Amino acid sequence: KNEVEQSPQNLTAQEGEFITINCSYSVGISALHWLQQHPGGGIVSLFMLSSGKKKHGRLIATINIQEKHSSLHITASHPRDSAVYICAVRPPRGATNKLIFGTGTLLAVQP
Amino acid sequence: DGGITQSPKYLFRKEGQNVTLSCEQNLNHDAMYWYRQDPGQGLRLIYYSQIVNDFQKGDIAEGYSVSREKKESFPLTVTSAQKNPTAFYLCASSMRLAGMSSYNEQFFGPGTRLTVL
Repeated sequence: KNEVEQSPQNLTAQEGEFITINCSYSVGISALHWLQQHPGGGIVSLFMLSSGKKKHGRLIATINIQEKHSSLHITASHPRDSAVYICAVRPPRGATNKLIFGTGTLLAVQP
Repeated sequence: DGGITQSPKYLFRKEGQNVTLSCEQNLNHDAMYWYRQDPGQGLRLIYYSQIVNDFQKGDIAEGYSVSREKKESFPLTVTSAQKNPTAFYLCASSMRLAGMSSYNEQFFGPGTRLTVL
């Protein structure tokens, strides 16, 4: 079983829909990252969070440390949001910043 | 502009050849990382370096080698010993948090797609 599990693996939505991608992990962490990978391959860091909630534009990330679960929400989705969204966790402080990655959620937003 | 560059974007190699992938950053980051991405799998760590002239093996270091002679540069050599080198390779870097042993978020380069013919 992977230490970081994402669901769903694939998601198709219509433009304007509210989207939720989930991430569950089974290890202790100091932070959780949400990353976006476009078809060209480059990866962009969306959020790094260790508690609560962060918002950036139409993107919202939440984390529940007790339940070892995080969600990434996209409001008013747009075709340009189509990408692979990757959840990654960082072990506790004192470690080497090695990240443990989920396998990603492929999102396709149709016009 | 600050960022991470990787070259080339696409690379083709014949079996039995060594090939070197370039990674350069001008973010003044202390740590640099090499990841490999295969379809259906999460990114896997090949090597990482927290400081110049020092590097450590990641989870899948066999068949790879690195050097860190300059803070800005962390080239990865895929040797002929790597049995299945066709993959997408990503380089990343991060800043050490002041006065702490941990690091800030990682910034990723655009990647190099290596294909063995």
